[in-house]
Parts: sequence; structure tokens; C-alpha cells
Amino acid sequence: DAGITQSPRHKVTETGTPVTLRCHQTENHRYMYWYRQDPGHGLRLIHYSYGVKDTDKGEVSDGYSVSRSKTEDFLLTLESATSSQTSVYFCATRDGANVLTFGAGSRLTVL
Amino acid sequence: GNSVTQMEGPVTLSEEAFLTINCTYTATGYPSLFWYVQYPGEGLQLLLKATKADDKGSNKGFEATYRKETTSFHLEKGSVQVSDSAVYFCALSDNDYKLSFGAGTTVTVRA
Repeated sequence: DAGITQSPRHKVTETGTPVTLRCHQTENHRYMYWYRQDPGHGLRLIHYSYGVKDTDKGEVSDGYSVSRSKTEDFLLTLESATSSQTSVYFCATRDGANVLTFGAGSRLTVL
Repeated sequence: GNSVTQMEGPVTLSEEAFLTINCTYTATGYPSLFWYVQYPGEGLQLLLKATKADDKGSNKGFEATYRKETTSFHLEKGSVQVSDSAVYFCALSDNDYKLSFGAGTTVTVRA
């Protein structure tokens, strides 16, 4: 178990407000990822990081930004939340065998 | 680009029935292939993987064989249990450190 903690686990917010989701890992893995999960779409990659201050966009990055100031923390920010960003968000880390380990998820509802 | 297509669900089975979930992929290189499982209310966890053609991954009675000629990685289990009720995701990873996921297949096993 890579020891991944996501916070908050549940959040309800209003359209136009900023939201930050936090992912914390204890395994010192270099690669970290943010995915969103929606019915019929599986998991779609939002952003990923390959080291401190090194990040890149995934397939659904519009409206999201990320930051990684320490190896253990990877933050996902919605600058101005929209209803289309209502989803379950998963953080993951990748080990040396190319296996992803996921956090328990953060359920975000944007009203 | 890379993509994964898996059979749509939901799939409902009786205990001890045989389970097959089809997965086919498109990739430009020689990807590694994975099956992940998501139990209710949890994040995804690795079920099995295969890293090269003809490899067979196996775990918890599940098996999948990497078939390069048919670009497939079908998941099978000979006798399912109620505890196998979950969402199953096929995924691939090419040499770009990102995983592409299928849409997921919901499996429900009835006692």
C-alpha cells in the first residue's frame, strides 16, 4: 500500500468558487497523477507530475491546475468550479514496476 | 494515440458462473496491459498485469493473456463469488508513464 491520502473526501461547493483537492503520499514515488471518474468514461487523466515542480497536462486538463512543491504532496485546483466538474477525483502514484496505486477518492459536487 | 475498449456492462452472474470481460487495445508501441478492480466506495487496485506478448497475468483466480495478434487482454474467472462484485477496468501503459483506461465493466454476482 503506497499510503495515499486524499482530502477532502467529500465536498459540496457552488459554481464559481475555487476548490483545492490534496493528495499526500508516504512512499516517495516520483510520479503522481490526478484522474476523474465519470459514468461511461472510465478514468480520464487530468494532470500528472514527474517530479517536484514538474507537471504536465492530461487529456482533460481544461479548468484545472496542479502544483507539486514537495515529493509527497500533489494539489489539484479548480480555479472557478463549474457543474461539469462534478465528479469523483482520484489521485495515484506510480511505482518502479509501472503499477499505479490509487487513493480512496474525493467526491466533488458543484451546485 | 493509445486507447482501450472493453465490453459494456453491467454484467450479472450467479455464483460459480464463468466470467469473461473482453478488452481490446490500440497502441503505437509495445504496451504493458493491466486489469484494475474497484470495489464499492474504494479506489482502484491492481488485479493483474502482463508486460509482453503471450504473458499471462493471474491473481485471485482471475487470468488474462496478452494477445498481440488480436490486440486483446480478456479477463476470465472460472467460478465467481459474491465478493467479486465490482467494477473492472482494463488499462494500458505505453512508454509515456501514463495509463489509458477503458470505461469499466460493472459485475454483479448473485448468491
